[in-house]
Amino acid sequence: AQKVTQAQTEISVVEKEDVTLDCVYETRDTTYYLFWYKQPPSGELVFLIRRNSFDEQNEISGRYSWNFQKSTSSFNFTITASQVVDSAVYFCALSERESGGSYIPTFGRGTSLIVHP
Amino acid sequence: DTEVTQTPKHLVMGMTNKKSLKCEQHMGHRAMYWYKQKAKKPPELMFVYSYEKLSINESVPSRFSPECPNSSLLNLHLHALQPEDSALYLCASSQGGDRGRGTEAFFGQGTRLTVV
Repeated sequence: AQKVTQAQTEISVVEKEDVTLDCVYETRDTTYYLFWYKQPPSGELVFLIRRNSFDEQNEISGRYSWNFQKSTSSFNFTITASQVVDSAVYFCALSERESGGSYIPTFGRGTSLIVHP
Repeated sequence: DTEVTQTPKHLVMGMTNKKSLKCEQHMGHRAMYWYKQKAKKPPELMFVYSYEKLSINESVPSRFSPECPNSSLLNLHLHALQPEDSALYLCASSQGGDRGRGTEAFFGQGTRLTVV
């Protein structure tokens, strides 16, 4: 069963539009961690944010904001006033306790964001 | 310094070749990972090393052989690969251990591997 669902395969917007990337996760653990990563065409996965299951406080970092809602198992990511440089694939990831005791991130399928000038 | 360095960036190899991918980090991280990523797909976990010991092998074929010579280095030895093994291979590291529980993983730029 898929643990992280990113239902939007591709989103296309025009520069300066706001855009929200959805992430829904599934876990039975009470302690878990959620992440967002950005992957530009160069290939490197760039860490954006981490949230633990006990911290539902929303966060804003410049044009980026994240809305974590345990009640709906969602961790959505909004980019305000999008720019062409935001074009990338964005992955949501869940890290929960594995059988060996480690916490290993499992990635959603990713959402490709294309921002047109 | 939050850098994970992978070499080479690109690699083309024949099905009978033996090659190695290298990964290095100097963040003092004790957990290191290899992921494989096919085009338009998410990264898939291959191996995890924790404190230089192999802790997870996601049923990866034996033609992929990981090695962790020390806490800063991670290698992936390749032998007798198939064309379907062509992919982006990503190395990552995280703090590891109880202190590093749930901490973020930092990724390298990857090695784009083509098997011909």
